[in-house]
Amino acid sequence: SQKIEQNSEALNIQEGKTATLTCNYTNYSPAYLQWYRQDPGRGPVFLLLIRENEKEKRKERLKVTFDTTLKQSLFHITASQPADSATYLCALDWGQAGTALIFGKGTTLSVSS
Amino acid sequence: DAGVIQSPRHEVTEMGQEVTLRCKPISGHNSLFWYRQTMMRGLELLIYFNNNVPIDDSGMPEDRFSAKMPNASFSTLKIQPSEPRDSAVYFCASSPTSVTSPYNEQFFGPGTRLTVL
Repeated sequence: SQKIEQNSEALNIQEGKTATLTCNYTNYSPAYLQWYRQDPGRGPVFLLLIRENEKEKRKERLKVTFDTTLKQSLFHITASQPADSATYLCALDWGQAGTALIFGKGTTLSVSS
Repeated sequence: DAGVIQSPRHEVTEMGQEVTLRCKPISGHNSLFWYRQTMMRGLELLIYFNNNVPIDDSGMPEDRFSAKMPNASFSTLKIQPSEPRDSAVYFCASSPTSVTSPYNEQFFGPGTRLTVL
């Protein structure tokens, strides 16, 4: 069966540390993997995406890796801040314009000062 | 741009009543998606449209749910009759489609929190 899993529902870390969130999938072959941030009471907001032939992508304090052999993406937030506290969702994208994404359930990150 | 607009933001209704949720996508976006989010099941795709045409409605739970997109700037999701298990947050999202950018970044509205008593 096809599954997408974010390995932990909640992650608690201290300010300044690096947060690492995991997204695993089975029986899919996405062309892209996207990451979104969702704050309480709001809709998800796109952060960044990585193509299947890219190993790593960076945007400011964010870094994403994509291993199509392991069927896994890692999402890192370096020098984390309390303002980074939110739920982070990964999504599989087939790379065909006008098609739907498949979302994981998300990992809720809490950064304490 | 105002972003994706959804109304109402909150809806409380009684079991058996009809509920209509509304969405205005971002101008120029030609794909529109309806999702339902619950703690148990996460974000589930219900239906999506390309150029106002329904493409995949396999996520619609049952015949009580229906969705329309009469024009490029408006869509509705209707539940009739509503049941307590329909209580969730319903999101609408839109996406531009381009042959030069085949990935599908989605722009979400603020959601409608539906409570069915």
